[in-house]
Amino acid sequence: EDKVVQSPLSLVVHEGDTVTLNCSYEVTNFRSLLWYKQEKKAPTFLFMLTSSGIEKKSGRLSSILDKKELFSILNITATQTGDSAIYLCASHKKLVFGKGTKLTVNP
Amino acid sequence: NAGVTQTPKFQVLKTGQSMTLQCAQDMNHNSMYWYRQDPGMGLRLIYYSASEGTTDKGEVPNGYNVSRLNKREFSLRLESAAPSQTSVYFCASSEALPGSGANVLTFGAGSRLTVL
Repeated sequence: EDKVVQSPLSLVVHEGDTVTLNCSYEVTNFRSLLWYKQEKKAPTFLFMLTSSGIEKKSGRLSSILDKKELFSILNITATQTGDSAIYLCASHKKLVFGKGTKLTVNP
Repeated sequence: NAGVTQTPKFQVLKTGQSMTLQCAQDMNHNSMYWYRQDPGMGLRLIYYSASEGTTDKGEVPNGYNVSRLNKREFSLRLESAAPSQTSVYFCASSEALPGSGANVLTFGAGSRLTVL
């Protein structure tokens, strides 16, 4: 059975901190891994990763995939209160999602 | 610029009642999905439809039925609602199924369902 595991499940930091969110996966016929950010409503797309070792960046957010060790990390530098959200990762094979990491950034 | 539209946004049902959640997308996507989200559980796939005329079970299909009415619309039906089906339901669409090029999900705003 395909499985995606995220850690930590919850994280509280102060503004300006750097955080690393983890996503490990066990899926058959892996094609890609996606990261989403969910604030109050629908998840919104952040990154899609298909190749090992290639970092994707968007502003203060970056993500990388390790296909040998079957995990991905999402880094957020210089966190802001607006980064408070649930971060979800999903693997491609019927788009199985992890349980998410709830990030709270305090001023 | 509607994207994925779900109705209703909120619904309260009594145990045993039936209802249908409606979903429509205007992006000409082939694939559509229904997820449920419970606290601490992430998103769990209920059913998906790879293309018009096809549907398949996801991780948690029991107690639900779906209809892919046409390319735009994908509805989720609860025939006899149970308190365990209290959840937030998200519809999503993508151009293609996983493994193909353009398969990023676009989500609707969600439907909050409470079953008493």
